[in-house]
Amino acid sequence: SQTIHQWPATLVQPVGSPLSLECTVEGTSNPNLYWYRQAAGRGLQLLFYSVGIGQISSEVPQNLSASRPQDRQFILSSKKLLLSDSGFYLCAWSRGPAAVTQYFGPGTRLTVL
Amino acid sequence: SQELEQSPQSLIVQEGKNLTINCTSSKTLYGLYWYKQKYGEGLIFLMMLQKGGEEKSHEKITAKLDEKKQQSSLHITASQPSHAGIYLCGADVLSNTGKLIFGQGTTLQVKP
Repeated sequence: SQTIHQWPATLVQPVGSPLSLECTVEGTSNPNLYWYRQAAGRGLQLLFYSVGIGQISSEVPQNLSASRPQDRQFILSSKKLLLSDSGFYLCAWSRGPAAVTQYFGPGTRLTVL
Repeated sequence: SQELEQSPQSLIVQEGKNLTINCTSSKTLYGLYWYKQKYGEGLIFLMMLQKGGEEKSHEKITAKLDEKKQQSSLHITASQPSHAGIYLCGADVLSNTGKLIFGQGTTLQVKP
């Protein structure tokens, strides 16, 4: 069976500090991977998606970047955090791009102070 | 603009009562997904609907997609405290791209 992990579960960072959130998937190969942010009052927003190693598409211009160094690893990064980067970050995977169910990880709660 | 509208935003029901949550789009939905979320946790997949008029059930939860594929409803029969949480609808509105947009969510409380 497939499982998806996110690390860390919670994070408190000062403004201007760097960020690295990790997502790993087990039990499948060549998954599509997604990063979402869930901010209070703004619902769930797609940030990045990847169809393969090194292939990243950005959906929203922002202070964040994503990388996929390995087939089942997806990393969300920032060089300098802003207050507005606070939120709940969710990673998801699917078997393919089109009309295929996305399965979500447990999420990372990021608070920028 | 919000392309996927959920209603109601919140709901409090007595245990044993039925309830319905709606999800509406102004665009054709190529895939409609229902998820449940406990606060501070990830989303749990409930059901996916693709065809107009399609209906699926799992235990006491039934989801329907209308013929025009612009509206979906989630119906819970004989609600229980375990049904409490945030229900989110997600949809692929760009013709099978896999890029989902989500509604704002409906927070359900079930009073014992």
